[in-house]
Parts: sequence; structure tokens; C-alpha cells
Amino acid sequence: QQKVQQSPESLTVSEGAMASLNCTFSDRSSDNFRWYRQHSGKGLEVLVSIFSDGEKEEGSFTAHLNRASLHVFLHIREPQPSDSALYLCAVSSRQGGRALIFGTGTTVSVSP
Amino acid sequence: EAAVTQSPRNKVTVTGGNVTLSCRQTNSHNYMYWYRQDTGHGLRLIHYSYGAGNLQIGDVPDGYKATRTTQEDFFLLLELASPSQTSLYFCASSVGAGTGQLYFGEGSKLTVL
Repeated sequence: QQKVQQSPESLTVSEGAMASLNCTFSDRSSDNFRWYRQHSGKGLEVLVSIFSDGEKEEGSFTAHLNRASLHVFLHIREPQPSDSALYLCAVSSRQGGRALIFGTGTTVSVSP
Repeated sequence: EAAVTQSPRNKVTVTGGNVTLSCRQTNSHNYMYWYRQDTGHGLRLIHYSYGAGNLQIGDVPDGYKATRTTQEDFFLLLELASPSQTSLYFCASSVGAGTGQLYFGEGSKLTVL
């Protein structure tokens, strides 16, 4: 069964500094990776989706996938206080049409 | 933009109570999901469905039933609610499982006393 873990649990960065989040997964056949953001008391919004090794950029968010090492990273370029939120990694495999499995999340706080 | 609507947004019940959470999506998506979100556990999949009348078991199904009555409507049923089911519940929909982007509702906060 797919296991998805995120680190760190929480992260504080200064406004404008790069923030890097890590997500590890256990199923090597995984081929669908998404990063979501959740502001306090709100639903989830998708930030970036990636399906093959390498990088994918969406605005100030860049996902970096390395399936050999079972890692997918999220980099937030020049974060703003409005980027303070819970960031969730989600992974799935086409095999069996499995639904997305989520990590436990990283809470990011951006200080002015 | 995909629209997923959950109701109620907040619910308080007592142990042993009967609760139904409702979800409606208006985008003709095939797949619908129920997740629960708890601190330290992230989002965990309870049940999902790929069409009216279909039900698939997720990772934490115990104590929950679900029913997909139409393509638009997916219900989560707690027939004997317990305090361990106090949580934030999210409904989501997607065109396909695994490959499709999930669109989430705003969440339903359930408290079981």
C-alpha cells in the first residue's frame, strides 16, 4: 500500500526567501504527483501536477520529481505572507486506477 | 471551474447518532471521493465511487457507509457515530481516478460528543 510522507512538519521562512518542501513515496509505479495548498479553514487548491521525472513550474511553484529516489519536491519562489498555509503532497498510480493518497502535510509560515 | 458543494458545513451530534454528509458536483465528473482530515494524518481516503451505484472502499472505511445515487450526488453515512469520527470531511471529484485532478469541496466539520 502506498505510503506518502512529508518533511519538514513545519517551516518558517522570510518573505522573499526560497522555501523547499520534501515528499517521499513508497510505490515505484507511481506516476501522478500533485501538490495542494490549504489555507486555514479552507478547502484544497491544486498548485502543480507532475507526471514524469524533472521539473514542472506553475507560477511561483516548482515541482521536482525523482522517481528513482522516491522523492518529489516543491519549491516556492519568493514566498509572500499570503503563502502561509498547509502544503499537501498527493501521489497515485495508474495501476488499478487508485485514488490519490495524501501525505500529512507541511505547515509553511512566511514572515514579513 | 469545477464546483463541489458539501452540506452541512458544520454538524454536532452525540455518540450513537446518525449523520449524513452530502456532496454534489456539477461538472459531470465520473469519480467522487470522501476523505477525512485529522492533524498528524493528513487526508485519508474513506470511500470513493466511479459512477452512480458504484462504491469502492478506501483506506479507512470502518464505521462509514457511502452511497452514490446519481453522477452528481455522493453521500457519506455514519449510522452510529463515535467520538473518533470527529473530523473535517472533504468531498472531491475528478474525471478519472489517479490520473485526474481532484476538485475539493469546502469541507464539513463533524463533532461527535
